[in-house]
Amino acid sequence: AQKVTQAQTEISVVEKEDVTLDCVYETRDTTYYLFWYKQPPSGELVFLIRRNSFDEQNEISGRYSWNFQKSTSSFNFTITASQVVDSAVYFCALTNRDKLVFGAGTILRVKS
Amino acid sequence: DSGVTQTPKHLITATGQRVTLRCSPRSGDLSVYWYQQSLDQGLQFLIQYYNGEERAKGNILERFSAQQFPDLHSELNLSSLELGDSALYFCASSPRVGGDTQYFGPGTRLTVL
Repeated sequence: AQKVTQAQTEISVVEKEDVTLDCVYETRDTTYYLFWYKQPPSGELVFLIRRNSFDEQNEISGRYSWNFQKSTSSFNFTITASQVVDSAVYFCALTNRDKLVFGAGTILRVKS
Repeated sequence: DSGVTQTPKHLITATGQRVTLRCSPRSGDLSVYWYQQSLDQGLQFLIQYYNGEERAKGNILERFSAQQFPDLHSELNLSSLELGDSALYFCASSPRVGGDTQYFGPGTRLTVL
């Protein structure tokens, strides 16, 4: 069975701090896909990134970066110089084909 | 804006009633997924349709059913509603199957009183 663990329930930081959100996954499949989604207070789920199991290159997009390590089954997400607008719930998710299996989410609060 | 639309945005109803949630996928997407988000269960996959056919099922209750129409829009029917069915219901769509990115609609918040 597939499982995603986001051990950090809630993180509070002050604006401009860097913050890393952890994600650990379990799967027996050799081909799988990992995702991060953001859920701001308005409630929608916003896609951030998709990674397949064969691509372990780290990715950077503006202030966001992702570190994928198959050896530790982790797909961590770092926000550099956090801003108040980053306050949201962040979900890590996993799929091998169809349904997404989500972690419980990490609430990020960025204070000014 | 993801391009996925869901109606209605909010729904308040009573126990025992039946409701229908509607979803229009992004243009060109053949696959539609339904998820339920509740405080106790988190985000749970309910069911998936691909080009009109049911493709995968999650922990969807027998009181719930769904379909995808020839124009690819989908409806989720919830009947004999219970208080515990109160949740945020999301629809998502993707071009195909097999790991494509799923883009989510804004959700329908269902409140059962």
